[in-house]
Amino acid sequence: QKEVEQDPGPLSVPEGAIVSLNCTYSNSAFQYFMWYRQYSRKGPELLMYTYSSGNKEDGRFTAQVDKSSKYISLFIRDSQPSDSATYLCATALYNFNKFYFGSGTKLNVKP
Amino acid sequence: DADVTQTPRNRITKTGKRIMLECSQTKGHDRMYWYRQDPGLGLRLIYYSFDVKDINKGEISDGYSVSRQAQAKFSLSLESAIPNQTALYFCATSDPRDPYNEQFFGPGTRLTVL
Repeated sequence: QKEVEQDPGPLSVPEGAIVSLNCTYSNSAFQYFMWYRQYSRKGPELLMYTYSSGNKEDGRFTAQVDKSSKYISLFIRDSQPSDSATYLCATALYNFNKFYFGSGTKLNVKP
Repeated sequence: DADVTQTPRNRITKTGKRIMLECSQTKGHDRMYWYRQDPGLGLRLIYYSFDVKDINKGEISDGYSVSRQAQAKFSLSLESAIPNQTALYFCATSDPRDPYNEQFFGPGTRLTVL
């Protein structure tokens, strides 16, 4: 079983839609949770990070972690064509020695 | 100029050949990483180095070796390339003073082994 599971999509939505991206993880010891965004032919870039359970909001983006169900979510409000990318969730232990990445969900926002 | 650069950006080689992928960074970070990305499998860690004298295996190190020539340089070698090493390879860096250890990725090297 992979440490982090993520639906690969692709997910296609109209501009302005609310997008929900999700991951599950297996190790209850994970404490840090990240979302990276990867544009085509580019390396991933950190989008958001959270520690333990709860929500974190940054503009149109909200990251949510439910440690009881080992579930990670990213919500995008008022989605834009520029949000079209692959989104990767990632987890890490307290010491951050290694990251465990999901396989990525490809999102296409249609104008 | 890019903070993390990788050379070459694309490479096609044949089975059995020795290949070296190079990574350089100008961010001044001590920590450097090599990942490979495959469709459906995501990013998987090959090797990581927390300083010039520190080298650690990741989850898929078999068939690979690395060299940390300086704080700014970390190279990945495939001693005898095989077709299932065809993938997109990323180098990344991070700053140990960053509480979230944000990973800064290079643009990637697309390697094809025939």
